[in-house]
Amino acid sequence: GESVGLHLPTLSVQEGDNSIINCAYSNSASDYFIWYKQESGKGPQFIIDIRSNMDKRQGQRVTVLLNKTVKHLSLQIAATQPGDSAVYFCAEEGGGFKTIFGAGTRLFVKA
Amino acid sequence: DAGITQSPRHKVTETGTPVTLRCHQTENHRYMYWYRQDPGHGLRLIHYSYGVKDTDKGEVSDGYSVSRSKTEDFLLTLESATSSQTSVYFCAISESNGQTTYGYTFGSGTRLTVV
Repeated sequence: GESVGLHLPTLSVQEGDNSIINCAYSNSASDYFIWYKQESGKGPQFIIDIRSNMDKRQGQRVTVLLNKTVKHLSLQIAATQPGDSAVYFCAEEGGGFKTIFGAGTRLFVKA
Repeated sequence: DAGITQSPRHKVTETGTPVTLRCHQTENHRYMYWYRQDPGHGLRLIHYSYGVKDTDKGEVSDGYSVSRSKTEDFLLTLESATSSQTSVYFCAISESNGQTTYGYTFGSGTRLTVV
């Protein structure tokens, strides 16, 4: 499949453990944040989003935390499964179609 | 990816030749985008469209042009391909509240190699 990043930060977790993937965003005016998952050979897939008026949002097995004070975003995946192995990246939006995508973190899940 | 298809999936072309990539959506979304993805970089916006015949440049638009003659189709053209345009190209669609999107739906990508 396509190489989405040869030198990405990597996180390796045991199946069943929780995973935490971090992202530092750049623009303090950004007001909308999204996490995407990208599997090898596929396009990025929307996982969960959060707006700046919230600091936590939960989905199915995923939670996003937003800390605007330090411009930090995290994605928590509960009970990580082999199918969660992928590259995860965050995106920030501050309006005007200026979406900034992070380079991503590669998650390996060990069976 | 449901509702959005890109063609071709893979292409090898020679330096100096024109290349056109196609994106087709069935979601009737107003906004369409072309991004490129390279190792060590996040997705970078090439061009986007906010309606039929309404397009604008992104951060890496040099050497690329786009056209949108119908809501469902967004074409990306490399007028004269160069090796620096070897990349994976993604089309995306979204809706918007006028200030931010509601997130993107991406196509499966086109891997373009310029030799």
